[in-house]
Amino acid sequence: QKEVEQNSGPLSVPEGAIASLNCTYSDRGSQSFFWYRQYSGKSPELIMSIYSNGDKEDGRFTAQLNKASQYVSLLIRDSQPSDSATYLCAADRGSTLGRLYFGRGTQLTVWP
Amino acid sequence: DTAVSQTPKYLVTQMGNDKSIKCEQNLGHDTMYWYKQDSKKFLKIMFSYNNKELIINETVPNRFSPKSPDKAHLNLHINSLELGDSAVYFCASSSDRAATNEKLFFGSGTQLSVL
Repeated sequence: QKEVEQNSGPLSVPEGAIASLNCTYSDRGSQSFFWYRQYSGKSPELIMSIYSNGDKEDGRFTAQLNKASQYVSLLIRDSQPSDSATYLCAADRGSTLGRLYFGRGTQLTVWP
Repeated sequence: DTAVSQTPKYLVTQMGNDKSIKCEQNLGHDTMYWYKQDSKKFLKIMFSYNNKELIINETVPNRFSPKSPDKAHLNLHINSLELGDSAVYFCASSSDRAATNEKLFFGSGTQLSVL
């Protein structure tokens, strides 16, 4: 059973639009959730983390968490072509420190 | 200065060979990891070390053996390579074992191709 599920996409949006990326997780013990961005041929880099229900905003990025629904999302406002990448959702394994489970990623393309 | 560096970047080898990947971090972190990313971008943890102590050992074949000579280094040795081992292997580090501080710093990856 997969621990973290994402729509693999690809998701294609025009420049300036809002891109919405979704993720669900199966382990109710998970407490911490992360969004990593991975450009083609590069390593993942952390862009957002969220630990409490609700929204968390950082610049053009907003992460949303709903623990009751076991749902995490990432909104990218005013999408830019430079946002084109694969976005990986990750959740911690609540019972085991230091372990992250990643989803398979959603490929986002922002066209000018 | 590169924070997490791993070598080599590319590794092409024949089935049955033994190979090693090296990783070093200069961030002063206590925890280091090996992740495997398959062709479908699925990133899965393999091992985690904290201050040279093995913390996590996922269901990885015994052919894979990590070694941490000190907390700044975590190497991965693979015996008897198989076709299914072809993937990108990422080394990573973090400053804290606690999941709430789980910002991972990744190396640039090693593309392993087993022929």
